[in-house]
Amino acid sequence: LAKTTQPISMDSYEGQEVNITCSHNNIATNDYITWYQQFPSQGPRFIIQGYKTKVTNEVASLFIPADRKSSTLSLPRVSLSDTAVYYCPAVDYKLSFGAGTTVTVRA
Amino acid sequence: DVKVTQSSRYLVKRTGEKVFLECVQDMDHENMFWYRQDPGLGLRLIYFSYDVKMKEKGDIPEGYSVSREKKERFSLILESASTNQTSMYLCASSSLVHEQYFGPGTRLTVT
Repeated sequence: LAKTTQPISMDSYEGQEVNITCSHNNIATNDYITWYQQFPSQGPRFIIQGYKTKVTNEVASLFIPADRKSSTLSLPRVSLSDTAVYYCPAVDYKLSFGAGTTVTVRA
Repeated sequence: DVKVTQSSRYLVKRTGEKVFLECVQDMDHENMFWYRQDPGLGLRLIYFSYDVKMKEKGDIPEGYSVSREKKERFSLILESASTNQTSMYLCASSSLVHEQYFGPGTRLTVT
């Protein structure tokens, strides 16, 4: 059964880069790796997906090593508005969300 | 942009009442999902549907049922609400399982 593990919380300051690493246990060969962001009192928002190597969009970058047993979400130059919970759900026929990583950005 | 709407942002019901939570998506997605979110427990899947009139149990279906009569609408039903069903309920839709779009959520309080 696919399962992911990520840190419970991370603190940062404005302007810094934040890297969150997720371990993907038993990831299937054809499963994508995805990350979601959730602000308080809102639903999660899909932010990025990848299969291998590196993907970048306007929100974040996603690094996936060749063995695909982990992934790293990179948030460049964070601001206070990046304070949120970030999830890397396990993917099979459904998404399995854990508690996520609470990222707190301070001034 | 994908839009997923939920019928209420906040709802207060009494124990034993029948509760309907409605979700509508406008992107012609085949897949729709209902989750609940509780502090410290993350999101847990209640039910999902891959097609009209089709439903599958998620991880915590007890005490809930669903209905999907039209592709764009997925309803969650609490047959007899209980206090342990006080939670944030989130609906999502997708064409790909791993890329889901969530609604704003309904915060349900059962007293």
